[in-house]
Amino acid sequence: AQKVTQAQTEISVVEKEDVTLDCVYETRDTTYYLFWYKQPPSGELVFLIRRNSFDEQNEISGRYSWNFQKSTSSFNFTITASQVVDSAVYFCALTREANSKLTFGKGITLSVRP
Amino acid sequence: NAGVTQTPKFRVLKTGQSMTLLCAQDMNHEYMYWYRQDPGMGLRLIHYSVGEGTTAKGEVPDGYNVSRLKKQNFLLGLESAAPSQTSVYFCASSRQGAYNEQFFGPGTRLTVL
Repeated sequence: AQKVTQAQTEISVVEKEDVTLDCVYETRDTTYYLFWYKQPPSGELVFLIRRNSFDEQNEISGRYSWNFQKSTSSFNFTITASQVVDSAVYFCALTREANSKLTFGKGITLSVRP
Repeated sequence: NAGVTQTPKFRVLKTGQSMTLLCAQDMNHEYMYWYRQDPGMGLRLIHYSVGEGTTAKGEVPDGYNVSRLKKQNFLLGLESAAPSQTSVYFCASSRQGAYNEQFFGPGTRLTVL
């Protein structure tokens, strides 16, 4: 069985602070894929990143970075110098190869105050 | 390219009424999904389809039916709506395999009184 845990439910920061969103996953598969999606107040989910289980390199995209650690089954997401536009619900998700379904975490609501 | 569209955007039903939510995608994707989103529950998969004419149950299929008669469309039906089905419904599509990025529609907010 697959499981994604996002223990933080709500985070509030002041603009320009760095913030890390945690994601811990459970799977028995050796080949699997991890995702982050963003859901801004407008409601539509937007894909941010996908990582496969064989690629543990950290990823950086502008102010966003992701830290994938198989040893701790974690795929954490850091926003550097947060901005008000980063306010959203962020979902971590997991699937295994040849699967047809994504398992989502319950999401983290991030509020960035000016 | 419209991407994934959903009809309607909002709907209010009375208990026992029926309705159909329509999802359409213009990306020629094989896979399509219906999710519901409830506060504190994240997204839960209702039904999905891996190709035209095929459907399968997800995590919370009870009370819903689906059909995929055309590749670009995925319909979600509620035969007898219940207040527990009050939710926001999202449709998504992807290329073959759930390991591919899913593209989401804007959502349908359904209230069952």
